[in-house]
Parts: sequence; structure tokens; C-alpha cells
Amino acid sequence: AAGVIQSPRHLIKEKRETATLKCYPIPRHDTVYWYQQGPGQDPQFLISFYEKMQSDKGSIPDRFSAQQFSDYHSELNMSSLELGDSALYFCASSLGSNSNQPQHFGDGTRLSIL
Amino acid sequence: DAKTTQPTSMDCAEGRAANLPCNHSTISGNEYVYWYRQIHSQGPQYIIHGLKNNETNEMASLIITEDRKSSTLILPHATLRDTAVYYCIVRHSWGAQKLVFGQGTRLTINP
Repeated sequence: AAGVIQSPRHLIKEKRETATLKCYPIPRHDTVYWYQQGPGQDPQFLISFYEKMQSDKGSIPDRFSAQQFSDYHSELNMSSLELGDSALYFCASSLGSNSNQPQHFGDGTRLSIL
Repeated sequence: DAKTTQPTSMDCAEGRAANLPCNHSTISGNEYVYWYRQIHSQGPQYIIHGLKNNETNEMASLIITEDRKSSTLILPHATLRDTAVYYCIVRHSWGAQKLVFGQGTRLTINP
């Protein structure tokens, strides 16, 4: 079965640069979630979208923004990158806004800031 | 969302059943219990979820106590590939609700 696709898998940037992470949800899934996992930490929710509208917002820095497009894929844009942004970034998708539908995760993007 | 409490770590012998407990004493009537696992920096993997009744799928069984204040995830025949961090998460039933990950249980399956 098709899974959540994230690209790129690895990304190396320098401080103050920008980065764009992409997420392609499972076909027919209309809800996308972004999570950040720092070294040795548990995943933390950043932001989510349902039917192209922001549905919830967590501890996402103002330097980050995200959107969901008409084909339901999503992009996380990160600017003025800091060393502390080095982390795994996971995208998850689900069908509908009903919490009886589980979220399914991609393999993540590993972002390293030099 | 209700908070969950899990043991920090557990060990289990290969081939035996692994029983992972979770306490969610403040759960409300419209909150689901979800279980995910994460195998070394891979994306969290959905295992199972339930509201009131016990649930079983090809991966595991979920036993929820009658008062819903605790649950147990059962991996019936643990293999070395089941070594992972297991997260018990309580999630509200309405809306596109985020998952709030706690510390989880680091399960080690020993040969």
C-alpha cells in the first residue's frame, strides 16, 4: 500500500539559510500533520491542515510556515535556520477530520544545520 | 488531552507475549487510546487504537479496562524486530487532533 512520502530524506543547511520540506500524503488522505523530533526527544507537533486549511497549531516557530496544496501535498518552509532546528521532521496523514482515523507517518526528513 | 503514564523500559524474551501497560486515569468519555511505536529514528508506526472495547489486529491486541483508566498493549509473539519505543497516546475524538507523544516505553526483545 502507498505510504506517506517525504522529500528530501536528508538535508544539510547552514545557519540563516532557508529550507523547504515536502510531504505527499497517502492517496485520498486530506489531513496532514507535521512533527519535529530533536535528538533524544519525542516527536512534537508543529502544525496540521485539513482540506487545505490550517486546523491546529503547536509549538511552531514564527520562522516556519506551512501550507497544503490543492492536491493535498504539504510543504514546510523554514527560514533563518538555527542550529537548534537540526532534527527529524515527520509528516503524517489521515483521512478526514475524525480522530477515529489513525495518522500514518512518513520516514521523515533529517535536517542538519551546520 | 488526558495524560498517559508508561514504564520507562521493559524487557521481553523473544517468542513470548509482551504486555505493555499504560495509565490514563484522567481520560474522558470521548477520547481514544492510540498506540504507536518508533523503531530507531524511523517514522512512528501506527499499531492499534480503541475507545471502550478491546481491539485486535494483525499486529497486536489492545485491552482497555472497564473504567477506561488504563490499557495494555499485547504483542502476542514478540520478535527481535519488535524492539522499539512504544507510545500510548490519548486523543480526543473530534476534529483533526494532533498526537501528543510522551516519553513512551522502550521495549527490548531479548534472544
